[in-house]
Amino acid sequence: GAVVSQHPSWVICKSGTSVKIECRSLDFQATTMFWYRQFPKQSLMLMATSNEGSKATYEQGVEKDKFLINHASLTLSTLTVTSAHPEDSSFYICSAHEAGLAGYTFGSGTRLTVV
Amino acid sequence: AQTVTQSQPEMSVQEAETVTLSCTYDTSESDYYLFWYKQPPSRQMILVIRQEAYKQQNATENRFSVNFQKAAKSFSLKISDSQLGDAAMYFCAYSRGNKLVFGAGTILRVKS
Repeated sequence: GAVVSQHPSWVICKSGTSVKIECRSLDFQATTMFWYRQFPKQSLMLMATSNEGSKATYEQGVEKDKFLINHASLTLSTLTVTSAHPEDSSFYICSAHEAGLAGYTFGSGTRLTVV
Repeated sequence: AQTVTQSQPEMSVQEAETVTLSCTYDTSESDYYLFWYKQPPSRQMILVIRQEAYKQQNATENRFSVNFQKAAKSFSLKISDSQLGDAAMYFCAYSRGNKLVFGAGTILRVKS
């Protein structure tokens, strides 16, 4: 079945630095990828939608200059948290959608801790 | 805007028993998809079951089945013969187009 690889699974970084999270669709072409943020015991909050070769669409309240999303190919999307602060500490999950299909495949998530 | 409501923050079930998780949604569309996802402690999102709105027949996947009431905009998940491995957070989700909208989730605890 469809597999999405998300890397790294966890990362600790210092306040003020930037962190990049990768999301790859391994056996299908993901025309659309989604980035979510999840706090403990809460639901997934959609941050942005990215389509291959075009600019990402951010949800209301999400700072696009802070959360940079690049979807340069049909198999790779990246989320860069720039100038990270402790309040950016969270669990980030990507998912990929294959055109023409109704399914969504999720990555295993990245636990980001900013110290 | 579409909304998904899960009114049960937590549920408990005895092993081997049956439990039903509730979900309602709001939409003005007639063609859409509904999903139940499971998120165990590993936090990997796992698709449990999917329902296409234009299909009247309720979806079933082994011990998991749904009760889809389109007019009532209700989409409940029934888990039969509950197992310890079913313990997780369950999310109901709605999709039309390519965006998923999630409910708040229900934590399911399974007692041995």
